[in-house]
Amino acid sequence: EPEVTQTPSHQVTQMGQEVILRCVPISNHLYFYWYRQILGQKVEFLVSFYNNEISEKSEIFDDQFSVERPDGSNFTLKIRSTKLEDSAMYFCASSELLRITDTQYFGPGTRLTVL
Amino acid sequence: GEDVEQSLFLSVREGDSSVINCTYTDSSSTYLYWYKQEPGAGLQLLTYIFSNMDMKQDQRLTVLLNKKDKHLSLRIADTQTGDSAIYFCAETPSGTYKYIFGTGTRLKVLA
Repeated sequence: EPEVTQTPSHQVTQMGQEVILRCVPISNHLYFYWYRQILGQKVEFLVSFYNNEISEKSEIFDDQFSVERPDGSNFTLKIRSTKLEDSAMYFCASSELLRITDTQYFGPGTRLTVL
Repeated sequence: GEDVEQSLFLSVREGDSSVINCTYTDSSSTYLYWYKQEPGAGLQLLTYIFSNMDMKQDQRLTVLLNKKDKHLSLRIADTQTGDSAIYFCAETPSGTYKYIFGTGTRLKVLA
């Protein structure tokens, strides 16, 4: 069964450094999402992306964050200058179309630790 | 505001039924979802229900929806130790395609 994959599974970085989290969505999916889950807290929506544009973003997704689809398979989340509070599990998701009936399928997550 | 609430913990004995409850916020949410998160793993879709349904059954899982009270529940029949995980409900409020997740319920199944 096709699945969303994410790399790396765990990233450790120093505060102020840039990180790029990578995702490979399911191949025929057109809509992509990033969510994050701070330890012990809710899963929170960050951003959705379609046709090389951001469709929707939350207030968490400030100028430090950016997303990109650099080629036909990868979808990346970049954090320009990491802060301690960016430490979280980051989940990528994809859906086939943007209909309310289209379920989002989640990857296993990347655990980001900012020291 | 967007706040989906769940009880934090539930403990049941193996073989019993588990009922996990969720209160959501947007009465116009079209679909409501249940996801399972095992330790160290991602979010696995368990089931979903369309808002014009009251109940949906899928093998050991039964979803009940009370739109009037904005209450969603997930019943797991014959709960097994492998069902131990965190269960999240999620809604998609009108006018958006993002998921709003609940706080998660940690289910512990005792042998």
